[in-house]
Amino acid sequence: QSALTQPASVSGSPGQSITISCTGTSSDVGGYNYVSWYQQYPGKAPKVMIYDVSNRPSGISYRFSGSKSGNTASLTISGLQAEDEADYYCSSYTNSGTNVFGTGTKVSVL
Amino acid sequence: QVQLQASGPGLVKPSEPLSLTCTVSGDSIGSYYWSWVRQPAGKGLEWIGRIDTYGNTTYNPSLKSRVHMSVDTSKNQFSLTLTSVTAADTALYSCARDLYYFDNWGQGPLVTVSS
Repeated sequence: QSALTQPASVSGSPGQSITISCTGTSSDVGGYNYVSWYQQYPGKAPKVMIYDVSNRPSGISYRFSGSKSGNTASLTISGLQAEDEADYYCSSYTNSGTNVFGTGTKVSVL
Repeated sequence: QVQLQASGPGLVKPSEPLSLTCTVSGDSIGSYYWSWVRQPAGKGLEWIGRIDTYGNTTYNPSLKSRVHMSVDTSKNQFSLTLTSVTAADTALYSCARDLYYFDNWGQGPLVTVSS
């Protein structure tokens, strides 16, 4: 299975909004509403920020939102803050019953 | 709050099996799926496979021929064995509770494949 495609890096100034894309196929992202997003700081375990395309776990800031259109899912971070600087990964369930991660995106706050 | 702790040797010789165990605390291992994920240094996440409490498994097709997972509900543990390892298997191995997303993680250990 091929990794989902994410931009290598995205940057923005504090207070701005940024969007990270996650492109798959009809066999994964496009076929199921089981897309999730993870934030990872260096040396730390990933933390789920969005699950089932657009749901936020308890304790996750409203500034994080998710959506999907066709085979592409998106994570939007609004009101960008310095603490949002991290790596972000998407993940999707697939029609083989497996999960696949995205290639990862490094978010920089200018 | 469920907690996971992955454990196992940090150094494995090429061609030998890599074996790790994940111990779950704070909740019963029952009624959930459990997954293994790995991450080579400086690279992205790779899903290895999942197991349910009945021992039913699904593996990443790229690793399927070398992966075996098992579960021990009496110990609230699940395990990973990866056979015929090479340097390409050097990575940080983590376990996670799997709800088709991964809400709780147990990080580590860093496993190095080297003679």
